[in-house]
Amino acid sequence: DAGITQSPRHKVTETGTPVTLRCHQTENHRYMYWYRQDPGHGLRLIHYSYGVKDTDKGEVSDGYSVSRSKTEDFLLTLESATSSQTSVYFCAIRDSLGQPQHFGDGTRLSIL
Amino acid sequence: DQQVKQNSPSLSVQEGRISILNCDYTNSMFDYFLWYKKYPAEGPTFLISISSIKDKNEDGRFTVFLNKSAKHLSLHIVPSQPGDSAVYFCAASARVGGSQGNLIFGKGTKLSVKP
Repeated sequence: DAGITQSPRHKVTETGTPVTLRCHQTENHRYMYWYRQDPGHGLRLIHYSYGVKDTDKGEVSDGYSVSRSKTEDFLLTLESATSSQTSVYFCAIRDSLGQPQHFGDGTRLSIL
Repeated sequence: DQQVKQNSPSLSVQEGRISILNCDYTNSMFDYFLWYKKYPAEGPTFLISISSIKDKNEDGRFTVFLNKSAKHLSLHIVPSQPGDSAVYFCAASARVGGSQGNLIFGKGTKLSVKP
């Protein structure tokens, strides 16, 4: 197990509400990632972090923001959730560029 | 436009036979390739990787082959077992050039191994 905890594991909420997903790691890895997985799309990168307070956008960043105030925590926020953000969200971590990413078990988010 | 393509959404093989999963890419800057395996309700699990300086990497029953001229890689599983039934994702990254080595994933191939 790669020492990654995602919370919550499941969430149902309404359109327009704010939502925050948390990724916690115990590996002290530098890089952290947020992906979404949708049918027919594989895994798509939302945002990533390459250090504390260092973040950048991925392929599908619109409508999402992130924060990393500590090495171990990477938060993904949907400021005003929309139905198109219903998805399974995965967090991943990586130690260095030459190493593979390791994934958490995901958060299933439903926005009604 | 898809930079990493897995053109077969599904594959069915008999237990004990070889499974071959294919992946094509378009970006010639990719220099690191990975395969992940995913079971339902779990996160993807890293399986095997290959650097562009190699054309083959082997780990037990799993072998990845890279053909740079064709921009093609494949994952061979020999012999296939029912526990190998999962969705397999191909991923690629360019470790230089400012992309921070971010992974680009294919859409996945669902492998079913029948007893």
